Amino acid sequence: DADVTQTPRNRITKTGKRIMLECSQTKGHDRMYWYRQDPGLGLRLIYYSFDVKDINKGEISDGYSVSRQAQAKFSLSLESAIPNQTALYFCATSEGSSEETQYFGPGTRLLVL
Amino acid sequence: AQTVTQSQPEMSVQEAETVTLSCTYDTSESDYYLFWYKQPPSRQMILVIRQEAYKQQNATENRFSVNFQKAAKSFSLKISDSQLGDAAMYFCAYRSHNAGNMLTFGGGTRLMVKP
Repeated sequence: DADVTQTPRNRITKTGKRIMLECSQTKGHDRMYWYRQDPGLGLRLIYYSFDVKDINKGEISDGYSVSRQAQAKFSLSLESAIPNQTALYFCATSEGSSEETQYFGPGTRLLVL
Repeated sequence: AQTVTQSQPEMSVQEAETVTLSCTYDTSESDYYLFWYKQPPSRQMILVIRQEAYKQQNATENRFSVNFQKAAKSFSLKISDSQLGDAAMYFCAYRSHNAGNMLTFGGGTRLMVKP
């Protein structure tokens, strides 16, 4: 089984709809991240969480919110989706040591019409 | 803020040959980490190799090695004996030792492998 899973893998929605993307991990990591990927821009950080009670904004948090329901679960919400939020979204986890590496989920492709 | 630049949007290599992907970064810090991630068509982000800035020795992982030039702020990836399965997007990434463990990514290089 994959260590970091994301649901759904693909989603098409309409402008103005509320969307939730979910991430679960079995790695036992404390730290979780949400990134978005746009062509030619690499990945950019949306939000990150170092533990259940810790939520932090990343580089591009406007239009997004997150919830850390448990150590293993970190969801990303688009309260009112807009077309320029069409992108590939990745969840990642890391252990929290100073030499940590981030491990990524398989990604969710979101299309906002 | 740190920036990471990959100046080659696309590269191609003949199977079994060697290819080098370039990455430069801008930082005022002395302690940090650098990574190369591979993204095949499956979209999965796969860690290829990592380098700690305090280590002078270049990291290697089987056919993958890096040329880390700290003074020049350069971190290139060399793939030896290229295989068809190496075809993918490759992303260079930077992480400060202290800045909340956030990764800053370059724009990526698409590598094509010709049979």
